[in-house]
Amino acid sequence: AQSVTQLGSHVSVSEGALVLLRCNYSSSVPPYLFWYVQYPNQGLQLLLKYTSAATLVKGINGFEAEFKKSETSFHLTKPSAHMSDAAEYFCAVTFYSYNGGSQGNLIFGKGTKLSVKP
Amino acid sequence: ETGVTQTPRHLVMGMTNKKSLKCEQHLGHNAMYWYKQSAKKPLELMFVYSLEERVENNSVPSRFSPECPNSSHLFLHLHTLQPEDSALYLCASSQNLGGGRSNYGYTFGSGTRLTVV
Repeated sequence: AQSVTQLGSHVSVSEGALVLLRCNYSSSVPPYLFWYVQYPNQGLQLLLKYTSAATLVKGINGFEAEFKKSETSFHLTKPSAHMSDAAEYFCAVTFYSYNGGSQGNLIFGKGTKLSVKP
Repeated sequence: ETGVTQTPRHLVMGMTNKKSLKCEQHLGHNAMYWYKQSAKKPLELMFVYSLEERVENNSVPSRFSPECPNSSHLFLHLHTLQPEDSALYLCASSQNLGGGRSNYGYTFGSGTRLTVV
């Protein structure tokens, strides 16, 4: 079975500081990994995705994430936080099995709320 | 209009009411999903429709009844709900390319905030 764990339900940073949101996954087959962002009263918006190509993935709004198989991690980073980054961030995992031709559904972590202080 | 549109945005209903949530996607996708988002819980996948056929039902109570009349529309019919069913209900769509391939891009609607009183 697949799962994701997001460490820290709340993260607070100062404007201009590094943003680091942690995600660890568990998967018995090679995973595909995603980060989504949710602003208040909105749905989820895809930030970036890893689908077995480059391990360092760049997304929208200056975010990037690195897939580290040895650490089963897919942490989200941004060098300099902006006030507009305040939102909830979700890590998600799925898989694709070329042998079986099957495809999993997205499984989400519990989310991390990011606050940005002026 | 583009993307995934959900209506209504907010809904308050009594436990004996019957209501429906609507989702419409304008992306040409062939798979649609209902997710439930409750406070302090992970997003829960409720139903999956692929090519208008229900392919997954994650043990959702029968008081939730989905309907997918075509690849662009998805409904969630609600009846005799409980207060614990209050949540944000999110619809999403994706394009499954056939042969087991997918572009994995789930596009979400803005959700319907449901309150059961």
